[in-house]
Amino acid sequence: QKEVEQNSGPLSVPEGAIASLNCTYSDRGSQSFFWYRQYSGKSPELIMFIYSNGDKEDGRFTAQLNKASQYVSLLIRDSQPSDSATYLCAVCAGTASKLTFGTGTRLQVTL
Amino acid sequence: NAGVTQTPKFQVLKTGQSMTLQCAQDMNHNSMYWYRQDPGMGLRLIYYSASEGTTDKGEVPNGYNVSRLNKREFSLRLESAAPSQTSVYFCASSVVVAGGADTGELFFGEGSRLTVL
Repeated sequence: QKEVEQNSGPLSVPEGAIASLNCTYSDRGSQSFFWYRQYSGKSPELIMFIYSNGDKEDGRFTAQLNKASQYVSLLIRDSQPSDSATYLCAVCAGTASKLTFGTGTRLQVTL
Repeated sequence: NAGVTQTPKFQVLKTGQSMTLQCAQDMNHNSMYWYRQDPGMGLRLIYYSASEGTTDKGEVPNGYNVSRLNKREFSLRLESAAPSQTSVYFCASSVVVAGGADTGELFFGEGSRLTVL
């Protein structure tokens, strides 16, 4: 069983809509949670991290964490074509050496 | 501000050949990592180094060796390349906060695309 699960997509949303990306994880000892964005042919870049239950907002991005349900999500408001990328969920059980990545969800924002 | 620099960016090898991927970071990070990324498999950790002089195996270390030459540089060597090692390889480093713990936030190099025929 994969430790970090993501729907591979593609998730297609129209420009200006809210994109909702979801991730579940199996290790209850996980302490920190990350969302990386990866454009095609490029390296991953960190866009959000969250450590505590609840919501964390940064501009158009909101990360949501529910440790009881072992669920983390990323909402992108007012989606733009430049948001089209693969979004990787990563879960950390202590140090970066314990970081586990999901396989990513490909997001397509259509005009 | 270079960040994490990897070389080469592209390489084609024949089965059995050897090569070394080089990585250097200029952010004074203690921890460095080598990942491989394959379609449908996500990023998988090959080796990591928590500090200069130390290295540890990750999820998929077989067929690879690493050297942490100094705080800046972390190289990955394929001694006898196999077609199963065809992949995109990413070097990364992580932020260390006060007290020496790292945060789990990774900074990635641009990647090295390796094809083994």
